[in-house]
Order: sequence, then C-alpha cells, then structure tokens
Amino acid sequence: LAKTTQPISMDSYEGQEVNITCSHNNIATNDYITWYQQFPSQGPRFIIQGYKTKVTNEVASLFIPADRKSSTLSLPRVSLSDTAVYYCLVGAQTGTASKLTFGTGTRLQVTL
Amino acid sequence: DTGVSQDPRHKITKRGQNVTFRCDPISEHNRLYWYRQTLGQGPEFLTYFQNEAQLEKSRLLSDRFSAERPKGSFSTLEIQRTEQGDSAMYLCASSPKNPGLAGGRGNEQFFGPGTRLTVL
Repeated sequence: LAKTTQPISMDSYEGQEVNITCSHNNIATNDYITWYQQFPSQGPRFIIQGYKTKVTNEVASLFIPADRKSSTLSLPRVSLSDTAVYYCLVGAQTGTASKLTFGTGTRLQVTL
Repeated sequence: DTGVSQDPRHKITKRGQNVTFRCDPISEHNRLYWYRQTLGQGPEFLTYFQNEAQLEKSRLLSDRFSAERPKGSFSTLEIQRTEQGDSAMYLCASSPKNPGLAGGRGNEQFFGPGTRLTVL
C-alpha cells in the first residue's frame, strides 16, 4: 500500500481557502486518491476521490499533478464547521471491497 | 435514520471483563468493516465481512477478539478478557455491493458513530 504524508495540523480563518497537500511518492498505477473528513466523536466521512488532474464536487476540489506523487485537497471559503481531521488515502479502486488505510491525518482548525 | 448505527456508544469496563459491541449497517450494504481508532491516530482496519463470511482479519485482531455477522445483516465484535490497551474507539463501516465507480466513489465506506471503550 502506498504510504501517504500530510501535515500534522493547519490553521485557517473563516472564509479563507484551505489547501492540504498529501505526498504519495510510491503510488501505484491503479491507485486512486481519496480524502475523508472526521469530526470529533464521529466516524470518518468520504469527501472526494480522484485519479488524475482535477475533480470537483459540492464540498471540495482535488488537484492531482501529472506524476500523481502528490495531491491537494482544496476547501473553498472554510467555516468553523470545517474544523476536523482530514485523511488522505491511496489505494486501488477495485470495485470490490477494500480495507481503508488511514494515516494520522491533518487537523484543520478554523477560527474567526 | 438510515445510516450505520452502533451500540453502545460508550462502554466502561474493568480489566478482564468481556464486552460485546453491535453494528447495524445500511440495509442494502452487503459489506461490513470493523476499525479501531486510538487517540490522535487514524482508524486501523480490524476485519471485513461480505454478507455473513468473514473474508479478512488484521493481525491486530488477537485471539481475544472475535467478530460475527450471522445473517449477513448486523455484526457483533466481542473482546474477551479486556486489557487497558484495548481502550479505543471501535468503528463500524459498510459499503454497497456495487460501489459508484462511475461517480468517483469507488471505495467509499459509510462509517457509524463508533463505540468508545474504556478499560479501567
């Protein structure tokens, strides 16, 4: 499984754009990049997934350069409720079951 | 509420006691996972079921741990002779038989709120 490296923590003010970068130097050809969000005392929640270039949904954008050795989760105009831990995961999108391998994640603290 | 539910939400027990947790997945999901999460760490995979069959177990799942999913619906996780090191959040997740590959959500898992175990 490809190992991921993310910043331990980040701070932001409300209304700002937040970019969290994840390194995955040994990503395999068939690996996808997935981000989960976890609030205190809750289970993780899927945010976004991508393979290459850019993916955007109603919550976030995911930027993946051509070499795919890193990815950046972009949260536009964060609010206090975006304070959470964000996990970057790398693994095969097999279409069948696959366990998720979480790292330590990035703790995002949003303040006024 | 049609999400994943877990019971109890909190459990305090004394060292050496047995505990059992229950997970009810989303009804149409045939895949069920158990994870354990300690403070400051991400969740760690414990075991996985497809319907009633337990298909994968982590080496983290010692002999004191046993999980079942007898009818392919709810699942239980039992810890025998609990130790203080077992104190953690135990998370259950489920996923559908045919994940939304086209929608870019191929390995999405839906997590429950977890059961927080404290072993005194």
